[in-house]
Amino acid sequence: DVVMTQSPLSLPVTLGQPASISCRSDQSLIHRNGNTYLIWLHQRPGQSPRRLFYKVSNRDSGVPDRFSGSGSGADFTLKISRVEAEDVGIYYCMQHTQWPYTFGQGTKLEIK
Amino acid sequence: EVQVVESGGGLVQPGGSLRLSCAASGFTVSNYWMNWVRQAPGEGLVWVSSIDERGNLKGYADSVKGRFTISRDNAKNTLYLQMDSLRPEDTAIYFCTRDFEIWGQGALVTVSS
Repeated sequence: DVVMTQSPLSLPVTLGQPASISCRSDQSLIHRNGNTYLIWLHQRPGQSPRRLFYKVSNRDSGVPDRFSGSGSGADFTLKISRVEAEDVGIYYCMQHTQWPYTFGQGTKLEIK
Repeated sequence: EVQVVESGGGLVQPGGSLRLSCAASGFTVSNYWMNWVRQAPGEGLVWVSSIDERGNLKGYADSVKGRFTISRDNAKNTLYLQMDSLRPEDTAIYFCTRDFEIWGQGALVTVSS
């Protein structure tokens, strides 16, 4: 199974400051078709997850452009240029390149 | 509006069965990969099962293989998860998701005597 490791697991951030979450897999996520099936999800307390990015860096509709996704192979990053109050919650990376699909442990972002 | 709505959750004894349904609207389930993801209380997200557009490819987490079955009724535009031989560790909110883009509100399954 592909192991997804996120860091940090806890991320206190001051409003207006940047934030960055790392996601590393223990093997390459490049599919034989050339695509990299790495997504980022955000889950607020008591809510369903919301997808932010698919295939590493493709932003979903409605996601503010202060969010960015980057990376390749086995090393990926989610960045927020200026954190806002609505960004609190848990961020997950997930690979669906190969079965079983696997999630990172989650990174809890809170406002300092 | 594109959405999925889960139903069928509830309290069941260990060893029992439940069938979750995921009714889709605004799109056709047979045109997309459909998935089940679960989340135990206070825990992270865990992939459970997926089915491809044609219904030919079905994948399961090792923890549910042989006990859970994913299926689809194209006429009803609905995805299912048949859960047999349930265990206390299967207790979780079960989310239906289209391509991990569209998520339902989840269905709570509690396995307890």
